[in-house]
Order: sequence, then structure tokens, then C-alpha cells
Amino acid sequence: GAGVSQSPRYKVAKRGQDVALRCDPISGHVSLFWYQQALGQGPEFLTYFQNEAQLDKSGLPSDRFFAERPEGSVSTLKIQRTQQEDSAVYLCASSLQKDTQYFGPGTRLTVL
Amino acid sequence: DAKTTQPTSMDCAEGRAANLPCNHSTISGNEYVYWYRQIHSQGPQYIIHGLKNNETNEMASLIITEDRKSSTLILPHATLRDTAVYYCIAHGSSNTGKLIFGQGTTLQVKP
Repeated sequence: GAGVSQSPRYKVAKRGQDVALRCDPISGHVSLFWYQQALGQGPEFLTYFQNEAQLDKSGLPSDRFFAERPEGSVSTLKIQRTQQEDSAVYLCASSLQKDTQYFGPGTRLTVL
Repeated sequence: DAKTTQPTSMDCAEGRAANLPCNHSTISGNEYVYWYRQIHSQGPQYIIHGLKNNETNEMASLIITEDRKSSTLILPHATLRDTAVYYCIAHGSSNTGKLIFGQGTTLQVKP
């Protein structure tokens, strides 16, 4: 069956550029999570949506990071004025409620 | 969510059982023990979870001690494709339900 998909899989950006990363959750999943994974580290929570409502954005590292899920399905993570320290894999996960989370393949962002 | 402690790395011979331990001594009564794994360059993959009883599915078995302070993930017949980082996470659905990953155990299955 269809799992969580993310696009693009790889993104190279010049420092200062804006980027947008897309997540398509499993159909019918209410909860959607974004995580950031630096090289050699475990994923770290960024933000959480329940349907279209962003209920927790405590993990977003700066105000350059913005996420939305306007219709309660597809979500976009936007990073403005990218910096080198933003280089990481960005993972999206969805779950039916707050139970088992299923992850997408991630988007590897490299900021030059 | 409670903190978990896992060995940094482990080796296992192909075809043998891989037993991955996890300590979660401060786990609370409503927190489940979840196991995920991450194969290189892929997203984390759900394996199994449990609360008190031992659990088994097509991928693995999960043994949780009676006091719930530790658990063991068992891959009964490890293959080279099981080489991955394995994360043990104590997780309740309080707050937002976010997962807190540690460093995990890097399991190397050797031929």
C-alpha cells in the first residue's frame, strides 16, 4: 500500500535561498510530524499537526522554519534564508492518531 | 517520555538470533516501548511495540521484563539486510505524541 512520500528526495541550495519540502502522509492519517536528522544523529522533533492545526512547533530551530498543512493532508516545511547548519535529512511521519508513526524516506538538504 | 539506554553497537552472525537490549528504568505506566530501525539512507521503519506483555510479529519479538525497566528486541534469524541502527523509544501519547530518539544501536550482521 501507499506509504508516506516526500519530495524532493535530494535538494541542494545555496546559502540564503528559500526551500520547500513536501510530505504526502498516508491517506486518512490525522497526525503528521516533521523531524530533522543531522548526520550520525537520531531524528529530532520539529513540529506536529493534528489535521490542519499545528499543535506543537516547539522543535523548530528558528523563525526561518515554517510548516503548514492547510487542508489536513499534504504538508510543506519551508526554510527561509537557508544556512549551512540547516543541512540535514528532513523526515516526515504520519499516524492515525498519536499511535504508531510511519516515516517517509526523507529529504536530504545540502546547503552550500 | 522516559529516557532509554542502548549499547552503541553490536555484531551478529548471519542466520543467528540478534538480541538487542534496552534499558528504560524510568518508564511510566502508560508508556509503550517502541522499536524502530533505520537502514542507511532510509527513513525509520516501525518494527514492534508493547506495553507489558511480550509481543511477536513477522519482523521480530519483543520481550519486556516484568518490572518494565528493560526490554529486548529479538530478530530470530538475522540477515545481512537487517544491518541498521535500531532505536528503542519509551513513548506515551501525552502531549503531541512526538518520538524522542536516542543514539540507537548499530547492528552489523556479518556473513
